[in-house]
Amino acid sequence: GESVGLHLPTLSVQEGDNSIINCAYSNSASDYFIWYKQESGKGPQFIIDIRSNMDKRQGQRVTVLLNKTVKHLSLQIAATQPGDSAVYFCADLYGNNRLAFGKGNQVVVIP
Amino acid sequence: DAGVIQSPRHEVTEMGQEVTLRCKPISGHNSLFWYRQTMMRGLELLIYFNNNVPIDDSGMPEDRFSAKMPNASFSTLKIQPSEPRDSAVYFCASGLQGAEQFFGPGTRLTVL
Repeated sequence: GESVGLHLPTLSVQEGDNSIINCAYSNSASDYFIWYKQESGKGPQFIIDIRSNMDKRQGQRVTVLLNKTVKHLSLQIAATQPGDSAVYFCADLYGNNRLAFGKGNQVVVIP
Repeated sequence: DAGVIQSPRHEVTEMGQEVTLRCKPISGHNSLFWYRQTMMRGLELLIYFNNNVPIDDSGMPEDRFSAKMPNASFSTLKIQPSEPRDSAVYFCASGLQGAEQFFGPGTRLTVL
């Protein structure tokens, strides 16, 4: 795929373990945040979102935590599976309709 | 729902040629976005439309790039003339204003 792989922080995790991916954002006015997953050769895929009036949101096997004080976002993946191997991007909404994407984190699941 | 549809999926062309990338957004979405992804720069927003009107084209690299959205179900991104440094994956995404964006599969462009 074409996602930026060679220069990305990489998290290697054993299958079945939990994964935590971190992200910092800079715009204190941002009030909407999204995590995307990009598999090789595919477009980014929406995973989960959170608004600034929340500090935690759970989905299926995924949890997003938001700490507005330090402008930090994290994605937790429970019981990581081989299919979770991908690049994960955080994004925050600015200017009403634009997303600012982070550089991405590569997750490699070891069977 | 078929999701965002892009064509072609792969394009190989020679420097100086015109390239046209096509996108069909998800029905009902009022915003459409064109992104470019490279290893060096990551994911960059080129331009976005709201209700078929271009709102922000500040990310368009130069005059060689142009985008149109003649109706709610179709958009094009054109590069004329193309250069080797335009080689990248180009994504189209659509969504409702202020909400998550849904990405297409991308067009991998190689300019020789």
